Amino acid sequence: DAKTTQPNSMESNEEEPVHLPCNHSTISGTDYIHWYRQLPSQGPEYVIHGLTSNVNNRMASLAIAEDRKSSTLILHRATLRDAAVYYCILRGNTGTASKLTFGTGTRLQVTL
Amino acid sequence: SQTIHQWPATLVQPVGSPLSLECTVEGTSNPNLYWYRQAAGRGLQLLFYSVGIGQISSEVPQNLSASRPQDRQFILSSKKLLLSDSGFYLCAWSVLRDASEAFFGQGTRLTVV
Repeated sequence: DAKTTQPNSMESNEEEPVHLPCNHSTISGTDYIHWYRQLPSQGPEYVIHGLTSNVNNRMASLAIAEDRKSSTLILHRATLRDAAVYYCILRGNTGTASKLTFGTGTRLQVTL
Repeated sequence: SQTIHQWPATLVQPVGSPLSLECTVEGTSNPNLYWYRQAAGRGLQLLFYSVGIGQISSEVPQNLSASRPQDRQFILSSKKLLLSDSGFYLCAWSVLRDASEAFFGQGTRLTVV
């Protein structure tokens, strides 16, 4: 399985942008980059995903490096409700490669 | 719209007792189905996944088994629970198209005593 590397933890002030990095140097050409977050005592929640181009949705933006070996999840204005563990995952689109394997993620703390 | 149901929300079971957790998905057909476990303070561990009825792949050797008797039903079982089986169990589903997102149930918090 292609692996991802994320910092264990990050801190941000409320109302400021947050850039969460992810390295995936062994990514294959058909792997999608997925981001999920998990709030305490809840199941993971989908945030965003992309293949090659940068992506935007109502929750966040995903910036993908040109060589696809790294990506950054961008929360434009962090709020206290964004405090969670953020997971960067590579997901293929066929057969067993489509399974979602979570790493340890980045614990984001948001302070006033 | 699609929904995922997972029950029960909490469960306390004695060591050596059997286990059956059920997960059902509505509003879609032929989903990929997953069972995860999260021990206290730890990350999510993929236990089983299924791409179709009767097709189960096990990720790690363990005291658990999974079955998919119907297209949208995924069951996690154990014949005899161990203390180490305690944790937060999550069911999830996704479709394969375009490696789209997965949706998680609310989880079952299992305590083996």
